[in-house]
Amino acid sequence: NAGVTQTPKFQVLKTGQSMTLQCAQDMNHEYMSWYRQDPGMGLRLIHYSVGAGITDQGEVPNGYNVSRSTTEDFPLRLLSAAPSQTSVYFCASSPTIAETQYFGPGTRLLVL
Amino acid sequence: AQKVTQAQTEISVVEKEDVTLDCVYETRDTTYYLFWYKQPPSGELVFLIRRNSFDEQNEISGRYSWNFQKSTSSFNFTITASQVVDSAVYFCALSLGPQTGANNLFFGTGTRLTVIP
Repeated sequence: NAGVTQTPKFQVLKTGQSMTLQCAQDMNHEYMSWYRQDPGMGLRLIHYSVGAGITDQGEVPNGYNVSRSTTEDFPLRLLSAAPSQTSVYFCASSPTIAETQYFGPGTRLLVL
Repeated sequence: AQKVTQAQTEISVVEKEDVTLDCVYETRDTTYYLFWYKQPPSGELVFLIRRNSFDEQNEISGRYSWNFQKSTSSFNFTITASQVVDSAVYFCALSLGPQTGANNLFFGTGTRLTVIP
């Protein structure tokens, strides 16, 4: 198993550009989530999914969209990037909503 | 509302010293889960431990030990005989569990531990 994978590892965007951060897991986990990590603020939940076809908002959802068409993939879309979205983004998954989440390696995003 | 406080922003110790990382949490729920994750300089998040609110038994895993005290809402992490490889940022986190319909983690702001050789 590759675990939780994220691509790209690093991305630079200009303000107003759009992009998709990819997250995939090969463990047949039902639960997947996206967090952002900012200096001095820990990690904050952006969006989560309890299963294919089901998504919901976390603490900081504005500016981000998600979809979950398959169990394996949970992409995060930035529709119009802003400098405030400069951050490190982590995807995580767990077998069910009752179990420990394991994190991907992260994507470092810089918005100029 | 849920809150996790890690008051120690940075700690430096000399190799082989013991060090305790503090974590204080707030929640009104009686069912919850507490976690510690490690973030080494390479940046990934590594799961260390999970405890549920009904199990206050302390846990030891090699040089790592955890002290969970509901009376003080604390879940402290001790590293015995620290090593340079322990240098990392350590995060404490809280989850309310499946009764909420989600598995959301509330993180503290982290403690950066530097072990000096």
